[in-house]
Amino acid sequence: AQSVTQLGSHVSVSEGALVLLRCNYSSSVPPYLFWYVQYPNQGLQLLLKYTTGATLVKGINGFEAEFKKSETSFHLTKPSAHMSDAAEYFCAVIGWGGSEKLVFGKGTKLTVNP
Amino acid sequence: DTEVTQTPKHLVMGMTNKKSLKCEQHMGHRAMYWYKQKAKKPPELMFVYSYEKLSINESVPSRFSPECPNSSLLNLHLHALQPEDSALYLCASTLGDRAETQYFGPGTRLLVL
Repeated sequence: AQSVTQLGSHVSVSEGALVLLRCNYSSSVPPYLFWYVQYPNQGLQLLLKYTTGATLVKGINGFEAEFKKSETSFHLTKPSAHMSDAAEYFCAVIGWGGSEKLVFGKGTKLTVNP
Repeated sequence: DTEVTQTPKHLVMGMTNKKSLKCEQHMGHRAMYWYKQKAKKPPELMFVYSYEKLSINESVPSRFSPECPNSSLLNLHLHALQPEDSALYLCASTLGDRAETQYFGPGTRLLVL
Protein backbone atom coordinates (compact mmCIF):
# COMPACT_ATOMS: atom_id res chain seq x y z
CA ALA A 1 0.00 0.00 0.00
CA GLN A 2 1.05 3.58 -0.58
CA SER A 3 0.55 6.76 1.40
CA VAL A 4 1.71 10.36 1.27
CA THR A 5 2.24 12.92 4.00
CA GLN A 6 2.57 16.57 3.14
CA LEU A 7 4.08 18.54 5.99
CA GLY A 8 2.37 21.88 6.40
CA SER A 9 -1.12 22.55 5.14
CA HIS A 10 -0.19 26.20 4.58
CA VAL A 11 3.11 27.69 3.49
CA SER A 12 3.64 31.40 3.09
CA VAL A 13 6.65 32.95 1.35
CA SER A 14 7.63 36.36 0.06
CA GLU A 15 7.92 37.00 -3.63
CA GLY A 16 11.46 36.08 -4.74
CA ALA A 17 12.04 33.74 -1.79
CA LEU A 18 12.73 30.02 -1.93
CA VAL A 19 9.70 27.75 -2.09
CA LEU A 20 9.98 24.42 -0.26
CA LEU A 21 6.98 22.12 -0.03
CA ARG A 22 7.57 18.88 1.82
CA CYS A 23 6.32 15.42 0.88
CA ASN A 24 7.12 12.08 2.46
CA TYR A 25 5.80 8.84 1.08
CA SER A 26 5.34 5.27 2.14
CA SER A 27 5.28 2.48 -0.41
CA SER A 28 5.74 -1.27 -0.29
CA VAL A 29 6.88 -1.28 -3.93
CA PRO A 30 9.03 1.13 -5.93
CA PRO A 31 6.98 4.30 -6.15
CA TYR A 32 6.09 6.67 -8.90
CA LEU A 33 5.79 10.15 -7.38
CA PHE A 34 4.03 13.23 -8.64
CA TRP A 35 3.43 16.84 -7.81
CA TYR A 36 0.24 18.43 -9.07
CA VAL A 37 -0.80 22.07 -8.79
CA GLN A 38 -4.37 23.31 -8.57
CA TYR A 39 -5.23 26.95 -9.11
CA PRO A 40 -8.51 28.25 -7.70
CA ASN A 41 -11.56 26.80 -9.43
CA GLN A 42 -9.46 24.73 -11.80
CA GLY A 43 -8.45 21.11 -12.29
CA LEU A 44 -5.11 19.55 -11.41
CA GLN A 45 -2.07 20.24 -13.56
CA LEU A 46 0.96 17.96 -13.52
CA LEU A 47 4.04 19.85 -12.36
CA LEU A 48 6.54 17.00 -12.46
CA LYS A 49 6.92 13.30 -11.86
CA TYR A 50 9.50 10.75 -10.81
CA THR A 51 9.32 7.25 -12.24
CA THR A 52 12.83 5.83 -12.57
CA GLY A 53 16.30 7.11 -13.38
CA ALA A 54 17.55 10.55 -12.41
CA THR A 55 16.46 11.45 -8.91
CA LEU A 56 16.39 15.20 -9.53
CA VAL A 57 13.34 15.95 -11.59
CA LYS A 58 12.67 19.26 -13.29
CA GLY A 59 9.15 20.35 -13.99
CA ILE A 60 7.21 23.24 -15.39
CA ASN A 61 7.27 26.82 -14.12
CA GLY A 62 10.77 26.46 -12.63
CA PHE A 63 9.86 23.79 -10.08
CA GLU A 64 11.98 20.77 -9.32
CA ALA A 65 11.90 17.88 -6.87
CA GLU A 66 14.41 15.36 -5.63
CA PHE A 67 13.58 11.73 -4.93
CA LYS A 68 15.46 10.59 -1.83
CA LYS A 69 14.83 6.92 -1.19
CA SER A 70 16.77 6.88 2.08
CA GLU A 71 14.56 9.64 3.46
CA THR A 72 11.38 8.50 1.64
CA SER A 73 10.97 12.10 0.54
CA PHE A 74 10.05 13.98 -2.61
CA HIS A 75 10.17 17.65 -1.66
CA LEU A 76 9.22 20.33 -4.19
CA THR A 77 11.37 23.44 -4.57
CA LYS A 78 11.55 26.61 -6.59
CA PRO A 79 14.43 29.07 -6.12
CA SER A 80 12.37 32.23 -6.47
CA ALA A 81 8.63 32.46 -5.80
CA HIS A 82 6.37 34.41 -8.10
CA MET A 83 2.93 35.74 -7.27
CA SER A 84 1.48 33.40 -9.88
CA ASP A 85 2.72 30.38 -7.89
CA ALA A 86 0.00 30.89 -5.30
CA ALA A 87 -2.08 27.72 -5.47
CA GLU A 88 -2.76 24.36 -3.82
CA TYR A 89 -0.08 21.74 -4.32
CA PHE A 90 -0.67 18.00 -4.07
CA CYS A 91 1.94 15.30 -3.77
CA ALA A 92 0.81 11.88 -4.98
CA VAL A 93 2.13 8.34 -5.24
CA ILE A 94 1.28 5.25 -7.22
CA GLY A 95 2.92 1.89 -6.81
CA TRP A 96 5.12 0.52 -9.61
CA GLY A 97 3.14 -1.98 -11.68
CA GLY A 98 0.40 -1.70 -9.15
CA SER A 99 -3.18 -0.56 -9.07
CA GLU A 100 -4.65 2.34 -10.92
CA LYS A 101 -5.14 4.23 -7.67
CA LEU A 102 -3.25 7.47 -7.30
CA VAL A 103 -2.90 8.29 -3.61
CA PHE A 104 -2.84 11.99 -2.80
CA GLY A 105 -1.50 13.90 0.15
CA LYS A 106 -3.80 16.37 1.87
CA GLY A 107 -2.34 19.28 -0.03
CA THR A 108 -0.35 22.39 0.80
CA LYS A 109 -1.69 25.84 0.11
CA LEU A 110 1.07 28.18 -1.00
CA THR A 111 0.63 31.89 -0.42
CA VAL A 112 3.07 34.34 -2.00
CA ASN A 113 3.29 37.76 -0.37
CA PRO A 114 4.40 40.84 -2.30
CA ASP B 1 -2.13 17.36 -26.95
CA THR B 2 -2.65 16.44 -23.30
CA GLU B 3 -6.15 17.80 -22.94
CA VAL B 4 -9.08 16.36 -21.08
CA THR B 5 -12.27 18.35 -21.50
CA GLN B 6 -15.28 18.39 -19.20
CA THR B 7 -18.74 19.81 -19.65
CA PRO B 8 -20.51 21.64 -18.20
CA LYS B 9 -18.16 23.86 -16.18
CA HIS B 10 -20.88 24.58 -13.64
CA LEU B 11 -24.11 22.77 -12.81
CA VAL B 12 -26.88 23.57 -10.37
CA MET B 13 -29.48 20.90 -9.78
CA GLY B 14 -32.30 20.09 -7.42
CA MET B 15 -32.46 16.88 -5.46
CA THR B 16 -35.08 15.42 -7.82
CA ASN B 17 -33.27 16.27 -11.06
CA LYS B 18 -31.41 14.00 -13.41
CA LYS B 19 -28.29 15.41 -15.02
CA SER B 20 -25.10 14.14 -16.63
CA LEU B 21 -21.47 15.18 -16.59
CA LYS B 22 -19.35 14.58 -19.65
CA CYS B 23 -15.63 13.99 -20.04
CA GLU B 24 -13.74 13.61 -23.29
CA GLN B 25 -10.15 12.94 -24.31
CA HIS B 26 -8.58 12.37 -27.70
CA MET B 27 -5.14 11.25 -26.59
CA GLY B 28 -5.76 7.56 -27.20
CA HIS B 29 -5.85 6.92 -23.47
CA ARG B 30 -7.52 3.68 -22.43
CA ALA B 31 -8.20 4.32 -18.76
CA MET B 32 -10.49 7.05 -17.47
CA TYR B 33 -11.35 8.15 -13.94
CA TRP B 34 -13.94 10.10 -12.00
CA TYR B 35 -12.92 11.94 -8.84
CA LYS B 36 -14.89 14.01 -6.35
CA GLN B 37 -13.17 16.91 -4.66
CA LYS B 38 -14.59 18.82 -1.71
CA ALA B 39 -13.23 22.23 -0.77
CA LYS B 40 -9.76 22.21 0.75
CA LYS B 41 -9.44 18.44 0.29
CA PRO B 42 -7.58 16.21 -2.16
CA PRO B 43 -9.50 14.45 -4.92
CA GLU B 44 -11.25 11.22 -3.92
CA LEU B 45 -11.42 8.43 -6.45
CA MET B 46 -14.93 7.35 -7.43
CA PHE B 47 -14.68 5.16 -10.53
CA VAL B 48 -12.11 3.78 -12.94
CA TYR B 49 -12.80 2.54 -16.44
CA SER B 50 -10.13 0.48 -18.12
CA TYR B 51 -10.56 -0.39 -21.80
CA GLU B 52 -14.20 0.72 -21.53
CA LYS B 53 -14.97 -1.64 -18.66
CA LEU B 54 -15.61 -0.56 -15.09
CA SER B 55 -12.62 -1.78 -13.10
CA ILE B 56 -12.98 0.14 -9.83
CA ASN B 57 -16.03 1.43 -7.98
CA GLU B 58 -15.02 2.96 -4.67
CA SER B 59 -18.31 2.08 -2.99
CA VAL B 60 -19.98 5.09 -4.54
CA PRO B 61 -23.73 5.51 -3.88
CA SER B 62 -25.96 4.34 -6.71
CA ARG B 63 -27.25 7.87 -7.29
CA PHE B 64 -23.99 8.25 -9.24
CA SER B 65 -23.94 6.10 -12.37
CA PRO B 66 -20.88 6.07 -14.64
CA GLU B 67 -20.90 5.18 -18.29
CA CYS B 68 -18.12 4.74 -20.83
CA PRO B 69 -19.69 4.64 -24.33
CA ASN B 70 -16.30 4.50 -26.05
CA SER B 71 -12.63 4.89 -25.25
CA SER B 72 -12.72 8.68 -25.63
CA LEU B 73 -15.84 9.47 -23.66
CA LEU B 74 -16.84 9.12 -20.03
CA ASN B 75 -20.15 10.17 -18.54
CA LEU B 76 -21.38 10.46 -14.97
CA HIS B 77 -25.15 10.30 -14.62
CA LEU B 78 -26.58 11.99 -11.55
CA HIS B 79 -29.98 11.29 -10.00
CA ALA B 80 -31.57 12.18 -6.68
CA LEU B 81 -28.42 13.79 -5.33
CA GLN B 82 -28.06 15.24 -1.87
CA PRO B 83 -26.70 18.67 -0.92
CA GLU B 84 -23.57 16.99 0.46
CA ASP B 85 -22.81 15.81 -3.08
CA SER B 86 -21.98 19.40 -4.02
CA ALA B 87 -18.32 19.36 -5.04
CA LEU B 88 -15.89 19.68 -7.93
CA TYR B 89 -16.04 16.57 -10.10
CA LEU B 90 -12.81 15.84 -11.92
CA CYS B 91 -12.17 13.50 -14.79
CA ALA B 92 -8.74 12.09 -15.57
CA SER B 93 -7.21 9.71 -18.07
CA THR B 94 -4.08 7.61 -18.50
CA LEU B 95 -2.54 5.82 -21.41
CA GLY B 96 -3.35 2.38 -20.00
CA ASP B 97 -4.43 0.72 -16.83
CA ARG B 98 -0.88 0.47 -15.53
CA ALA B 99 0.35 3.80 -16.84
CA GLU B 100 1.37 6.19 -14.18
CA THR B 101 0.57 9.73 -15.25
CA GLN B 102 -3.01 10.89 -14.89
CA TYR B 103 -4.08 13.92 -16.89
CA PHE B 104 -6.92 15.86 -15.33
CA GLY B 105 -9.70 17.89 -16.84
CA PRO B 106 -10.76 21.30 -15.48
CA GLY B 107 -13.67 19.84 -13.55
CA THR B 108 -17.39 20.46 -13.22
CA ARG B 109 -18.48 22.49 -10.21
CA LEU B 110 -21.74 20.92 -8.99
CA LEU B 111 -24.17 22.55 -6.59
CA VAL B 112 -27.11 20.50 -5.32
CA LEU B 113 -29.94 22.52 -3.82
